[in-house]
Amino acid sequence: GAGVSQSPRYKVAKRGQDVALRCDPISGHVSLFWYQQALGQGPEFLTYFQNEAQLDKSGLPSDRFFAERPEGSVSTLKIQRTQQEDSAVYLCASSPGTGNTEAFFGQGTRLTVV
Amino acid sequence: AQSVAQPEDQVNVAEGNPLTVKCTYSVSGNPYLFWYVQYPNRGLQFLLKYITGDNLVKGSYGFEAEFNKSQTSFHLKKPSALVSDSALYFCAVRLTRTGGGNKLTFGTGTQLKVEL
Repeated sequence: GAGVSQSPRYKVAKRGQDVALRCDPISGHVSLFWYQQALGQGPEFLTYFQNEAQLDKSGLPSDRFFAERPEGSVSTLKIQRTQQEDSAVYLCASSPGTGNTEAFFGQGTRLTVV
Repeated sequence: AQSVAQPEDQVNVAEGNPLTVKCTYSVSGNPYLFWYVQYPNRGLQFLLKYITGDNLVKGSYGFEAEFNKSQTSFHLKKPSALVSDSALYFCAVRLTRTGGGNKLTFGTGTQLKVEL
């Protein structure tokens, strides 16, 4: 596709349930990012991949959060044993290179934990 | 550590008037600076960036931003606002140094409302 695609667009999970969020970046983009955006806030960095290598996971809030990009293309963000504070919009972004290139964002997945 | 401040939660302006959305940053090094816009139920859209060179950067939809190193600011401007510019605007910063990582640090956003 022409842009970054995320699925599902909306996810309702019961507290304690595991969820998996998918990101299809723009084809050929080297860099892939995950961000968490709480209501009324700016996006907060979670993790960064350069191809298949996860170079920065400093933003993951707990060991319940796990991300992977095994073939350097599609990425999955997994949240185990979801809690109410995990409710947010999860944004994926990709960029063709590193450093000064801008990132292109998907529409996000809105996760609601009930 | 790097941070971005957007001091105004909301900016109201009349259509046809100039608009300014403020942004200041803090980094321990030279920054790359970005502006993004977010419409309801849509992802962030890139507007413009400052990398190096001319301090006045021009971007999409008639927007521009001025990098001011001494004031550590990167305010977004447009000479004549349109109702369709009404949206949520985010300023973001990234470090330029090698190994500094590529993560963007965002401000909290400024809601722009352009009225007739």
